[in-house]
Amino acid sequence: DAKTTQPNSMESNEEEPVHLPCNHSTISGTDYIHWYRQLPSQGPEYVIHGLTSNVNNRMASLAIAEDRKSSTLILHRATLRDAAVYYCILRGAYAGNMLTFGGGTRLMVKP
Amino acid sequence: DTGVSQDPRHKITKRGQNVTFRCDPISEHNRLYWYRQTLGQGPEFLTYFQNEAQLEKSRLLSDRFSAERPKGSFSTLEIQRTEQGDSAMYLCASSLGSGVQPQHFGDGTRLSIL
Repeated sequence: DAKTTQPNSMESNEEEPVHLPCNHSTISGTDYIHWYRQLPSQGPEYVIHGLTSNVNNRMASLAIAEDRKSSTLILHRATLRDAAVYYCILRGAYAGNMLTFGGGTRLMVKP
Repeated sequence: DTGVSQDPRHKITKRGQNVTFRCDPISEHNRLYWYRQTLGQGPEFLTYFQNEAQLEKSRLLSDRFSAERPKGSFSTLEIQRTEQGDSAMYLCASSLGSGVQPQHFGDGTRLSIL
């Protein structure tokens, strides 16, 4: 499986935008980029996914580099509730269906 | 919207005992997954079902572990002769269809082995 690299932790101020980076230099042409987050004492929660084009939903935006070797999850206005571990995961369209989680980025939001 | 439900939320047992966890997926979801998460780590895949068929098992799933999904609805994960190393959060997820559909997770069962 192609590997992702994320910073261990990041800090943000409440109501400011947050850019969470992910490197995936060995991504293959059929790999989708998925983001999940896990709040304390909860199971992971799907955030967003994309293949080549930038994607927006009600939770976040996903910006994908033109060469697809990196991506950035953007939270437009961080709230205290966004404090969580964010996982960037590559998922092949035709491969086994499990999610392979790395260590993720622990996001801390300061009031 | 009833999400994925797991029972119990917490289980404390003595080493050597058997334990069984239950997962009720979102009703129309045909795929069901089990993951295990230890403290400070991301979840690790254990096994998954499409309807009632168990299609893939991780090498983490030793002979002491067995999972079932009778009738393609709820699933159970049983651990026999528990060991200290089995202490973890056991997460269940479900999804609709195949490929890159998002997985919806329950809040897990935390297992503590005394």
